[in-house]
Amino acid sequence: GDSVTQMEGPVTLSEEAFLTINCTYTATGYPSLFWYVQYPGEGLQLLLKATKADDKGSNKGFEATYRKETTSFHLEKGSVQVSDSAVYFCALLPLGNTGKLIFGQGTTLQVKP
Amino acid sequence: DGGITQSPKYLFRKEGQNVTLSCEQNLNHDAMYWYRQDPGQGLRLIYYSQIVNDFQKGDIAEGYSVSREKKESFPLTVTSAQKNPTAFYLCASSDRGGLNEKLFFGSGTQLSVL
Repeated sequence: GDSVTQMEGPVTLSEEAFLTINCTYTATGYPSLFWYVQYPGEGLQLLLKATKADDKGSNKGFEATYRKETTSFHLEKGSVQVSDSAVYFCALLPLGNTGKLIFGQGTTLQVKP
Repeated sequence: DGGITQSPKYLFRKEGQNVTLSCEQNLNHDAMYWYRQDPGQGLRLIYYSQIVNDFQKGDIAEGYSVSREKKESFPLTVTSAQKNPTAFYLCASSDRGGLNEKLFFGSGTQLSVL
């Protein structure tokens, strides 16, 4: 079945460091791909998305490119801040599905001043 | 402000007790969802509803029940049959019966067993 695999955390970085959180997926066809972020004690918020191959989603300095050839959707940011500390979830929406997102296990990011 | 409200924020369940988690949205969304989040794991879908008076089981529906009598409300009952209920529960909604993939989440309810 369809699935999402993320790199294990926690990821600990110093402020202004470069961030990469790996995400790979298994799905038939061309699913839509998402990154959600969860700040402590809160629900999830959509960070960015891409709906077709080679699309790049971007928001708040974060970027991710839909790579069909490697079935990946890695999250990157050039310079992280302490306020970026959160749990990041990669997710996919299978082709033709109605709202049933499939989530990865989440990756905790800790940014130290 | 439009959004999703979950209550209570913290809930404790005694052995053999049923408890109900509230989820209300004023976004006029057709679809609503319940997810369970365990530490170090992703979100798992419990139940979802794409329209009033209709709902479907997700991946881990056993021990849970829901109702969708009103568009804005989707309460989740954790029954005594759920033997491991301690988790963080998240409610979400989306527009156009789920065809719009952007989910809006509530702030969650932490359920613990006494």
